[in-house]
Amino acid sequence: DTGVSQDPRHKITKRGQNVTFRCDPISEHNRLYWYRQTLGQGPEFLTYFQNEAQLEKSRLLSDRFSAERPKGSFSTLEIQRTEQGDSAMYLCASSLYGTSGTDTQYFGPGTRLTVL
Amino acid sequence: AQSVTQPDIHITVSEGASLELRCNYSYGATPYLFWYVQSPGQGLQLLLKYFSGDTLVQGIKGFEAEFKRSQSSFNLRKPSVHWSDAAEYFCAVGARYDMRFGAGTRLTVKP
Repeated sequence: DTGVSQDPRHKITKRGQNVTFRCDPISEHNRLYWYRQTLGQGPEFLTYFQNEAQLEKSRLLSDRFSAERPKGSFSTLEIQRTEQGDSAMYLCASSLYGTSGTDTQYFGPGTRLTVL
Repeated sequence: AQSVTQPDIHITVSEGASLELRCNYSYGATPYLFWYVQSPGQGLQLLLKYFSGDTLVQGIKGFEAEFKRSQSSFNLRKPSVHWSDAAEYFCAVGARYDMRFGAGTRLTVKP
């Protein structure tokens, strides 16, 4: 069990550019989540996948954001036409969701995005 | 809708002193409750969780938390704080698929 990994750890981009982040969950986990965390706040839910299906999206996830999990393993989060307000830490988490209806989310180290 | 309040933005304790971080939640059903810790620039590490059963739960690094339904609280405690405990602590309530986090409590440990 190598934990949740995210790449890159840091990204600096100019306003208007597109960026893509990758998350590799814990291997046997079927759920994968994306959160955004701004300075001084707790993480806020963006979206989640169960296997390859994207089951829920927050209103925070504007049309410029898109997430995929094509084979039910790793996931990517793309932000198009970045804005300065997108600057934040983007956290990925994974969990093993079962019949008990409860699961525990394990977080990766995050990708810190800075939009200049 | 579920929500979490952490009343203390910043707490300072001396090394070796006891610690209690407060967490109040709002949730219509039986809550799933979590405490996570975050070091600067890092992701979140799970300290402990409560799903059901014994209301006093033990976690890693010597932390424990007590679920009190009547007070809608899930306070985190540690009997003796170490300098390495300095970090940001987040309480969270879990729902069907997402978790709602509090704004966090930053812990400073004085030597």
